[in-house]
Amino acid sequence: DGGITQSPKYLFRKEGQNVTLSCEQNLNHDAMYWYRQDPGQGLRLIYYSQIVNDFQKGDIAEGYSVSREKKESFPLTVTSAQKNPTAFYLCASSIIGQGPAGELFFGEGSRLTVL
Amino acid sequence: RKEVEQDPGPFNVPEGATVAFNCTYSNSASQSFFWYRQDCRKEPKLLMSVYSSGNEDGRFTAQLNRASQYISLLIRDSKLSDSATYLCVVNGRNYGQNFVFGPGTRLSVLP
Repeated sequence: DGGITQSPKYLFRKEGQNVTLSCEQNLNHDAMYWYRQDPGQGLRLIYYSQIVNDFQKGDIAEGYSVSREKKESFPLTVTSAQKNPTAFYLCASSIIGQGPAGELFFGEGSRLTVL
Repeated sequence: RKEVEQDPGPFNVPEGATVAFNCTYSNSASQSFFWYRQDCRKEPKLLMSVYSSGNEDGRFTAQLNRASQYISLLIRDSKLSDSATYLCVVNGRNYGQNFVFGPGTRLSVLP
């Protein structure tokens, strides 16, 4: 079955540590995204990528880094510079093409808690 | 003004009720419109895309008014399983990189 796999589902981190969240898709989608969701709030874009070896900052990129070495993979590193990293992180992908955008497909999310 | 705004909610309705959610967007160049459903502590899932002519899927009807920059979602004959947060999502460009999410409206359907 095609889809997006995120891991780990739950992660605990001590202050000052970097952590990397994995996101893999087998939908053959060109575009991949990372969003952050805080309780009672909408999703906010961290980074997105439309093509291998290229990515763009979203609205809240400070304290995060990404890479896109393969079409299928778009890992997110939450660095120690991120002031308030406790949140629900969602990876998504979509088709890129002519005309209006198609839907976003989401992974199940990774819940990060900083102790 | 936020790019996408939704009814603040929560909406608490009895089973069988009809409920309507509203969403407004500020970018007049927006091209694509969606309603997503998000269950508690889960990922959002597409409920329906919204087309210019309006569209219906079973008990769900979505409408778009480009002139007023307004989108609506109507749920008829509410079920307990409809309890969730409903997210309005707007995309401002082609090529899919500019999805903007509303804060969501929480619905609780009560027995």
